[in-house]
Amino acid sequence: DTGVSQDPRHKITKRGQNVTFRCDPISEHNRLYWYRQTLGQGPEFLTYFQNEAQLEKSRLLSDRFSAERPKGSFSTLEIQRTEQGDSAMYLCASSLRTMNTEAFFGQGTRLTVV
Amino acid sequence: AQTVTQSQPEMSVQEAETVTLSCTYDTSESDYYLFWYKQPPSRQMILVIRQEAYKQQNATENRFSVNFQKAAKSFSLKISDSQLGDAAMYFCAYRGGSEKLVFGKGTKLTVNP
Repeated sequence: DTGVSQDPRHKITKRGQNVTFRCDPISEHNRLYWYRQTLGQGPEFLTYFQNEAQLEKSRLLSDRFSAERPKGSFSTLEIQRTEQGDSAMYLCASSLRTMNTEAFFGQGTRLTVV
Repeated sequence: AQTVTQSQPEMSVQEAETVTLSCTYDTSESDYYLFWYKQPPSRQMILVIRQEAYKQQNATENRFSVNFQKAAKSFSLKISDSQLGDAAMYFCAYRGGSEKLVFGKGTKLTVNP
């Protein structure tokens, strides 16, 4: 297992288009998290899954954002009708279901909306 | 809601010297964990060190150690014998009962040869 992988690494899209990102967590990890990181800021929590159940969503996650984790494996994050303010790095992380365990991060998908 | 504050946007250190990065947090929870993550340029975030709130002993990982002051809600990171490879963004993070990580804004560390 090579860690958390995200695809694509970079995405440039026109305003108003839909985009979808994929995250493949470490195989035995039952928790999967999505974060958004803008330039000069720390990652901000968006949502997380335990297995296939989406347990929490941040109010940052507007109706244009949707995330899924079918069968508790990989996850997708879709942004509909993208806006320039959506430009950011989208990070995925996975961990085991205990508070003290390390969250392993992917390299992120950098989204640029033009 | 929990918050994490890193008051030093940038720090610099000479190679082989020691540097301390500051972090404070606010919470009403009694059971939580604190983490320092390192994010090198264009690379993924990796864990540097973690601290359990119920442990009084400060965590240490090789050249990295923390000064955890629970009453003051302070969690600083000390890097000894700084190396060029330590140059990165460093993020302090909190995880409590909600189980999500709450991050500070980060400190950019530059290591000068």
